[in-house]
Amino acid sequence: GEDVEQSLFLSVREGDSSVINCTYTDSSSTYLYWYKQEPGAGLQLLTYIFSNMDMKQDQRLTVLLNKKDKHLSLRIADTQTGDSAIYFCAELLYGQNFVFGPGTRLSVLP
Amino acid sequence: EAGVTQFPSHSVIEKGQTVTLRCDPISGHDNLYWYRRVMGKEIKFLLHFVKESKQDESGMPNNRFLAERTGGTYSTLKVQPAELEDSGVYFCASSQEVGWEQFFGPGTRLTVL
Repeated sequence: GEDVEQSLFLSVREGDSSVINCTYTDSSSTYLYWYKQEPGAGLQLLTYIFSNMDMKQDQRLTVLLNKKDKHLSLRIADTQTGDSAIYFCAELLYGQNFVFGPGTRLSVLP
Repeated sequence: EAGVTQFPSHSVIEKGQTVTLRCDPISGHDNLYWYRRVMGKEIKFLLHFVKESKQDESGMPNNRFLAERTGGTYSTLKVQPAELEDSGVYFCASSQEVGWEQFFGPGTRLTVL
C-alpha cells in the first residue's frame, strides 16, 4: 500500500538550517510536495518537485529527491521563528489524490 | 480571490449525534477533495468530487459518512452517528483540474465526546 513516512519532531536554533526528511513508497508518483501548516491555518503549498528532477531551489528552500531510495528532503536555510509549523510531505497518487506523511513539527528556538 | 473556506472551524458533539461540515471551494474549481487527520496521524484522503459527481470515494471509512455536492458548488460531509474515533481535523481542498495544485481550506476540528 501507499505509505509516506517522516520524523515527527525537529528542533533547530534560529539562523541554522533545518532538514526535514521523508520517505515514500509509490514509485509511480510524478510529483512530490511539501506543505506547511501553521497553527490554526490550513495547508499551504510550499514547493513541489517533479519526479525526474534531483533538486529544486526556491529562495531559502531546497528540495532534494533521491528517486532510487524514494527519499525526499526539505532544507530551510537560515531558519526563522516564523518557520515554526508542521511540515507535510505528500505524493500525488495516480495524479488525483494526495497521500500525506504524518507531518514533522518544526520548532525554532531563539 | 477568496480561498477555500470551511464551516464550522470547530465542532464539539457527543457520540451518537450528527454533524455536517461544509466546504466552499475556490470559485470555478470543479475538483473538490475531502481529507481528514485523526489523532495527530497522517492526513488521509476521503473522497474526490468532479463537479457534482463522486470521482473517487475509496477513502470513506464507512457508511456513517455521507458527502454531497449538489449543484457542483459547495460540498457537505455528514457524519451520522458520530463515534469517538471520528475526532480529528477535516480538510477540504479544491483544484481547477485533476493533478493541478490543490488549495486547502483551514480545516474543521471535530471533537466527539
